[in-house]
Amino acid sequence: GAGVSQTPSNKVTEKGKYVELRCDPISGHTALYWYRQSLGQGPEFLIYFQGTGAADDSGLPNDRFFAVRPEGSVSTLKIQRTERGDSAVYLCASSLSASETQYFGPGTRLLVL
Amino acid sequence: KQEVTQIPAALSVPEGENLVLNCSFTDSAIYNLQWFRQDPGKGLTSLLLIQSSQREQTSGRLNASLDKSSGRSTLYIAASQPGDSATYLCAASSGGYNKLIFGAGTRLAVHP
Repeated sequence: GAGVSQTPSNKVTEKGKYVELRCDPISGHTALYWYRQSLGQGPEFLIYFQGTGAADDSGLPNDRFFAVRPEGSVSTLKIQRTERGDSAVYLCASSLSASETQYFGPGTRLLVL
Repeated sequence: KQEVTQIPAALSVPEGENLVLNCSFTDSAIYNLQWFRQDPGKGLTSLLLIQSSQREQTSGRLNASLDKSSGRSTLYIAASQPGDSATYLCAASSGGYNKLIFGAGTRLAVHP
């Protein structure tokens, strides 16, 4: 079956612009996670959704970052007033339930010029 | 606060060797521990998940062990192959909903 998909695969934007990153989880997976990975580092947790609600957003770095999952399936990570330090690979993962294996998408590579 | 460390940061071995990758975590109250593989420019592929009540898991040539009391996990790769070359990441779950805290990874190169 289809895995986790993320669009776009690459995004180049200018400092100060707004970007949206999309994640399509595996069908039927209720748990969805966003992570951010900088070069040479492991992924860093951003936010966790159980269904439509954000159960834990403690990893969001500041209020420029926001994520939604309005129908409990597709999720969008939104970044306002982008900064060069936001450049990273943004990874999405989903799992059947919160206690099970997470399956990762290929990521969106964001470059802020 | 959970912190995860992986040693070594990089490893280069000849084909056929058995090898061990190490992972340590500071908070033993984990929910589970996962090992992932990441190929350059790609996402993560789950290799093994060990629940906190388990001591080890095996899949093919891979065996992962978990010792919560000492805060350690190891990934054993038998008879390494060039196709095993990748970065291996370990991640400890924090909380009941599987929030993963990752190490920085071990970059493995297996040469023919």
